[in-house]
Amino acid sequence: QQQVKQSPQSLIVQKGGISIINCAYENTAFDYFPWYQQFPGKGPALLIAIRPDVSEKKEGRFTISFNKSAKQFSLHIMDSQPGDSATYFCAALFMNTGFQKLVFGTGTRLLVSP
Amino acid sequence: DVKVTQSSRYLVKRTGEKVFLECVQDMDHENMFWYRQDPGLGLRLIYFSYDVKMKEKGDIPEGYSVSREKKERFSLILESASTNQTSMYLCASSFNHIGQGYGYTFGSGTRLTVV
Repeated sequence: QQQVKQSPQSLIVQKGGISIINCAYENTAFDYFPWYQQFPGKGPALLIAIRPDVSEKKEGRFTISFNKSAKQFSLHIMDSQPGDSATYFCAALFMNTGFQKLVFGTGTRLLVSP
Repeated sequence: DVKVTQSSRYLVKRTGEKVFLECVQDMDHENMFWYRQDPGLGLRLIYFSYDVKMKEKGDIPEGYSVSREKKERFSLILESASTNQTSMYLCASSFNHIGQGYGYTFGSGTRLTVV
């Protein structure tokens, strides 16, 4: 199975709150888990990524938590700001004979209210 | 610092027209991809290419074709546009081997409306 399931579909958080987006996968062959951020009118851009041999990665206010045994990973946005309002996609990278291919979740639209 | 360029931001075409969407990357990436993005459906892969003149079907190739004559350019073709092809189209590129770099770089998208 090459699906990545993402939830919630949309999220409203107050300024200063914590935003949490969850993803789950089935294929244990995935070996890289990036998150992409997309602002209206723009293409998705790489935000942060983690490899499965690490349980947590933090970059500023953004943290990925990774649970290999549960096959789940999540994005936490601390002290959420209105400028974080965007659509977020989780993804998993699948290597097939050296060719890298990303499988994307369905996206979460985050709105941070002032 | 633009790396993946899509030729049009907005496009309006009539039903039955042949439509070309162009994508150019300047990062010497081997792989190029075409996605369509629709609300609630996320990013769906239409076609991808891992080398010049090579192409592979993605998850929703029906009604589309592609062309890759040069490494830096990947074209998506709608042979006979239909209203259900109204969507945001995103081009992306990547290195073939993760040793050169992970992940994709996306263009800004082309919003196509078929009337």
